[in-house]
Amino acid sequence: DVKVTQSSRYLVKRTGEKVFLECVQDMDHENMFWYRQDPGLGLRLIYFSYDVKMKEKGDIPEGYSVSREKKERFSLILESASTNQTSMYLCASSLPYGEAFFGQGTRLTVV
Amino acid sequence: DAKTTQPPSMDCAEGRAANLPCNHSTISGNEYVYWYRQIHSQGPQYIIHGLKNNETNEMASLIITEDRKSSTLILPHATLRDTAVYYCIVKGDNQGGKLIFGQGTELSVKP
Repeated sequence: DVKVTQSSRYLVKRTGEKVFLECVQDMDHENMFWYRQDPGLGLRLIYFSYDVKMKEKGDIPEGYSVSREKKERFSLILESASTNQTSMYLCASSLPYGEAFFGQGTRLTVV
Repeated sequence: DAKTTQPPSMDCAEGRAANLPCNHSTISGNEYVYWYRQIHSQGPQYIIHGLKNNETNEMASLIITEDRKSSTLILPHATLRDTAVYYCIVKGDNQGGKLIFGQGTELSVKP
């Protein structure tokens, strides 16, 4: 079975903390994605990576950065967490062609 | 901005066919039509995709109009477990092919 694994299902962090969300895929996929999902706003793309060390901004990159040092791992970093970053975060991976596979999501609460 | 338009919600009787429409009038020649669905509290799940020919798999059928400006996802015998948000996405199959979600259609299958 193909697998995209997000490090935590639920996470609670304090305002101002540096937060790392980790995503690992075991399918040797080139493309990896980070989204956030909020009620009424759907899934919004934060960052996208199409190769190791390569990244592109999505629709809402402000307040976030990413790291892709190895092909299988794509990390989302909240440099200084704020309450408006409370959300469901979803990671996905895909080949350049074909379908994407999603993780189960990390529900982050910033207090 | 998403390049597709879908109705926000639809109902379907259990056991009947669910026909979900999608408009993608600005689709480019190298862009595929992808369908995903998201059941509550889970990551999105790939259903089917196509370029210009109709496609069928064990989950659904995809009908793409000849001009490729619209498509219909057909669930031939909807069950209660098909209740979900269905997303239609157009995506180029190349290295930089971002996966951008619109608002989707919330399908409710009723007994």
